[in-house]
Amino acid sequence: DSGVTQTPKHLITATGQRVTLRCSPRSGDLSVYWYQQSLDQGLQFLIQYYNGEERAKGNILERFSAQQFPDLHSELNLSSLELGDSALYFCASNQRGGGNEQFFGPGTRLTVL
Amino acid sequence: GQSLEQPSEVTAVEGAIVQINCTYQTSGFYGLSWYQQHDGGAPTFLSYNALDGLEETGRFSSFLSRSDSYGYLLLQELQMKDSASYFCAVRGSTLGRLYFGRGTQLTVWP
Repeated sequence: DSGVTQTPKHLITATGQRVTLRCSPRSGDLSVYWYQQSLDQGLQFLIQYYNGEERAKGNILERFSAQQFPDLHSELNLSSLELGDSALYFCASNQRGGGNEQFFGPGTRLTVL
Repeated sequence: GQSLEQPSEVTAVEGAIVQINCTYQTSGFYGLSWYQQHDGGAPTFLSYNALDGLEETGRFSSFLSRSDSYGYLLLQELQMKDSASYFCAVRGSTLGRLYFGRGTQLTVWP
């Protein structure tokens, strides 16, 4: 158990819908990362937050957005969902945001029908 | 841009030694890491090299050669529970984001 929690574990929805994935980092960790893992793309970095502020952005679609709240939990919002958005979404955290060791949550498996 | 290459699959028998190679091309380099992921599970950190040479952690060792943009993960005394995907990852800047390879599926046979 990494100490990172993610909800929900599974999410099944329809194309065109909007969903919110939630992540709570390990106690004391200020930095949160979101990754998307699909079969053909591997682990793709989406976005990083550090202490409430966006720090780095990857290939995150405009339909996706994220934020980190004052209590350091983070939410990833996915809208106008498409079939291709079906994937595992992982949240990871670490203390300072610059280290190589990241602690991953159990993931949210999103299925878009 | 950033790219990492690693073999897609490796197989070995219990008790054997296996080496998973990773070559990378990045515009900046702040370390090479290795992560293990069991089917459908969360990736877990195994090791990290910032400088050239070998880092040993129990049955696992990781090597880096920055001049060759190359590293490997060495797994010794393989056990069935080592069957998993192994990812190399590069941190290309002082920011925390990691660039991951596509992963190597290791299958350990009895």
